[in-house]
Amino acid sequence: SAVISQKPSRDICQRGTSLTIQCQVDSQVTMMFWYRQQPGQSLTLIATANQGSEATYESGFVIDKFPISRPNLTFSTLTVSNMSPEDSSIYLCSVEDLVLRADTQYFGPGTRLTVL
Amino acid sequence: GESVGLHLPTLSVQEGDNSIINCAYSNSASDYFIWYKQESGKGPQFIIDIRSNMDKRQGQRVTVLLNKTVKHLSLQIAATQPGDSAVYFCAENIYTGRRALTFGSGTRLQVQP
Repeated sequence: SAVISQKPSRDICQRGTSLTIQCQVDSQVTMMFWYRQQPGQSLTLIATANQGSEATYESGFVIDKFPISRPNLTFSTLTVSNMSPEDSSIYLCSVEDLVLRADTQYFGPGTRLTVL
Repeated sequence: GESVGLHLPTLSVQEGDNSIINCAYSNSASDYFIWYKQESGKGPQFIIDIRSNMDKRQGQRVTVLLNKTVKHLSLQIAATQPGDSAVYFCAENIYTGRRALTFGSGTRLQVQP
């Protein structure tokens, strides 16, 4: 499977600031996704990052709060804007390679965000 | 590392025993299912998958069973080892014009030496 890295691995941020999380894949992939995992919880899909077009957001998530970029087939960023303590979570990117194995998603190591 | 699943149901087994982790999925239209393992401080790791046209699939030490009648999925781990200790999530994939992966609530597996 593809090797996925995320930066930063963790961060502690102040309320009201923004943080941009990077996701890098070692091969070109068709689909990239961003998830949130709140403390003690399961994973919730934030949005699908589409190369060359706007991201597709799930119910409850909006572009102003979580802007996403996907400039090419190996890279995506998620920004958590105007942060509050409720944004403290693990943020995970995943990829799906339709050529390698359709429908299966492989995950990066996650970014652990704490908002004070 | 940071703990995941602090309030999850826990399955505790002895090393060498077989483990069975269960999952009830929500949508009868789901056609693809995945089991993930998440160790503390890491992202979910793919274990095994199964499509809805099958009811059983085996991997190395793991077996997934699918019962579509009652919308139930299980993961069986043979000869459980301490390295199997983690939180396990089932996920269902529903294609509704776009791909969406919905995760279950997770189960913590603790392997006692």
